[in-house]
Amino acid sequence: QKEVEQNSGPLSVPEGAIASLNCTYSDRGSQSFFWYRQYSGKSPELIMSIYSNGDKEDGRFTAQLNKASQYVSLLIRDSQPSDSATYLCAADSGGSNYKLTFGKGTLLTVNP
Amino acid sequence: ETGVTQSPTHLIKTRGQQVTLRCSSQSGHNTVSWYQQALGQGPQFIFQYYREEENGRGNFPPRFSGLQFPNYSSELNVNALELDDSALYLCASSAGGRGGYEQYFGPGTRLTVT
Repeated sequence: QKEVEQNSGPLSVPEGAIASLNCTYSDRGSQSFFWYRQYSGKSPELIMSIYSNGDKEDGRFTAQLNKASQYVSLLIRDSQPSDSATYLCAADSGGSNYKLTFGKGTLLTVNP
Repeated sequence: ETGVTQSPTHLIKTRGQQVTLRCSSQSGHNTVSWYQQALGQGPQFIFQYYREEENGRGNFPPRFSGLQFPNYSSELNVNALELDDSALYLCASSAGGRGGYEQYFGPGTRLTVT
């Protein structure tokens, strides 16, 4: 069973701090990795994609990928109360259908 | 807003009934994937359609079936509803049938089976 594991949290950080979210995956064939943000009662919103080892930055968000360690992370700098949500990590199947396998998500709370 | 739409927003059905959920993909996207998200869980892949053909299926029984139309919109049909089918059903569209393409979710359909 190919899995994506995340700490369920909740992760609580003060406003302005860096939030660090982590994810591991079991399928070595996975090539594409995604972070989604999901507010309560809403659908997931894509915030970052990463395909190569290393860091990818987009505004306050930085995604990090280490394929050797099968590890993906998301850093949120200058966290804001509006960042409070569940963050879902997803990996593709590496096969012909490229389904996404999701973790259960990490609940992040940013305290004013 | 992703440009992906789903209908209906909410639905209440009785065990044993059948349901059809609909999805319109984002302009320029030819691939639609369906996911089921139970409360407190991540989305689980049901199946994917690419250019009107099923392009892969997750661990869901045959009573979950789908269609994709020439305009790339899609339907998810569930027969013989069970209580455990109660969940948020998500449709995601992407630009290609093979991987590496980002999937964008619609607002979802909340299905309650009583």
